[in-house]
Amino acid sequence: EPEVTQTPSHQVTQMGQEVILRCVPISNHLYFYWYRQILGQKVEFLVSFYNNEISEKSEIFDDQFSVERPDGSNFTLKIRSTKLEDSAMYFCASSEGGITDTQYFGPGTRLTVL
Amino acid sequence: AQKITQTQPGMFVQEKEAVTLDCTYDTSDQSYGLFWYKQPSSGEMIFLIYQGSYDEQNATEGRYSLNFQKARKSANLVISASQLGDSAMYFCAMREVEGQAGTALIFGKGTTLSVSS
Repeated sequence: EPEVTQTPSHQVTQMGQEVILRCVPISNHLYFYWYRQILGQKVEFLVSFYNNEISEKSEIFDDQFSVERPDGSNFTLKIRSTKLEDSAMYFCASSEGGITDTQYFGPGTRLTVL
Repeated sequence: AQKITQTQPGMFVQEKEAVTLDCTYDTSDQSYGLFWYKQPSSGEMIFLIYQGSYDEQNATEGRYSLNFQKARKSANLVISASQLGDSAMYFCAMREVEGQAGTALIFGKGTTLSVSS
């Protein structure tokens, strides 16, 4: 069964450093998303991406963040100048569109900023 | 105001019993979708079940069913015949504007379900 994959599973970085989180969405899906979950809290939407551009973003997704689909399979989230409060689990998701448009999530990348 | 409210931080159930996890939502949209996801201790988010606002019948997927009461704005998840592997965090989520793909999911805070033998 096709699934969303994410790398790395765990990333540790120093405050102020840049990180890139990588995702490979399900191959026939058209819509891609990033969410984050701070430990013990609810899942929060960051951004959605369609047709090579951002279609929706939350107020969390400020200039510190960017997304890119560098090739036909990968979808990346870049966090510039990481802060302590960026420590969270970051989930990539994808969906194929349609009425139901169910979003399927990857296993997540746990980001720890020291 | 919370868009998705899950009032039960923790629920406990015996194996083979049924359990209901509560979810209420708040939206002014006429068209929306409701989802339930399971998050085991390993951390991944697993899609369980979907209910569209215009669906007249409650959704079912195997042991999962959704008790959808539109007038009360509730979408409770019912798990029948609980298994030890059902122990996890369960999230209710809503997508406003059903039928508009690529729209964000809004999540509740989750309910931790513990199944004992």
